[in-house]
Amino acid sequence: DQQVKQNSPSLSVQEGRISILNCDYTNSMFDYFLWYKKYPAEGPTFLISISSIKDKNEDGRFTVFLNKSAKHLSLHIVPSQPGDSAVYFCAAYSGAGSYQLTFGKGTKLSVIP
Amino acid sequence: DSGVTQTPKHLITATGQRVTLRCSPRSGDLSVYWYQQSLDQGLQFLIQYYNGEERAKGNILERFSAQQFPDLHSELNLSSLELGDSALYFCASSVEGGALGNTIYFGEGSWLTVV
Repeated sequence: DQQVKQNSPSLSVQEGRISILNCDYTNSMFDYFLWYKKYPAEGPTFLISISSIKDKNEDGRFTVFLNKSAKHLSLHIVPSQPGDSAVYFCAAYSGAGSYQLTFGKGTKLSVIP
Repeated sequence: DSGVTQTPKHLITATGQRVTLRCSPRSGDLSVYWYQQSLDQGLQFLIQYYNGEERAKGNILERFSAQQFPDLHSELNLSSLELGDSALYFCASSVEGGALGNTIYFGEGSWLTVV
């Protein structure tokens, strides 16, 4: 049973436009959510996170929105740049003494120049 | 560069064999995590060590084991290897063992191919 789901395996966006990556979760015990970006042949790199007590967190071009009632979060990238082309993983955990992240399968974002 | 070092980067071995993957955490990080990424799968949590002691265990097979040494580096031992064990194995580290909001940093991974 997949507790974190990224239902779009891939997404193509024109340079300069907004990229919206979606993530759904089923475990109501999750209270912290993270997005990681992964380039080929590299490890995942932390991008942005959000606590369940917030509904929005912003860092430069990246904004994460959390809708707890819908168990849904999204990552917005504005404006999208070719260098943003990568696989984006959504991850979640319940901060109860262990950093056991549960990951989605990832969404491959392609930003077209 | 995340500061987490994993060796070897690539490894090809035969079924039934045993391999050891090594991880050096970022300087100052006490916690080490191991994750497995199989084809078309998200990262699956295997096990976590904090300052030498096992902190949490995920979907780790009995054929697999890990340890964290006094110098804080960690090793993941995979034995009686099967074709299905072919995957990318990531090590990650963090300062704390699970403080809310703490960030973990990943190494580049070790590609294991079992033939």
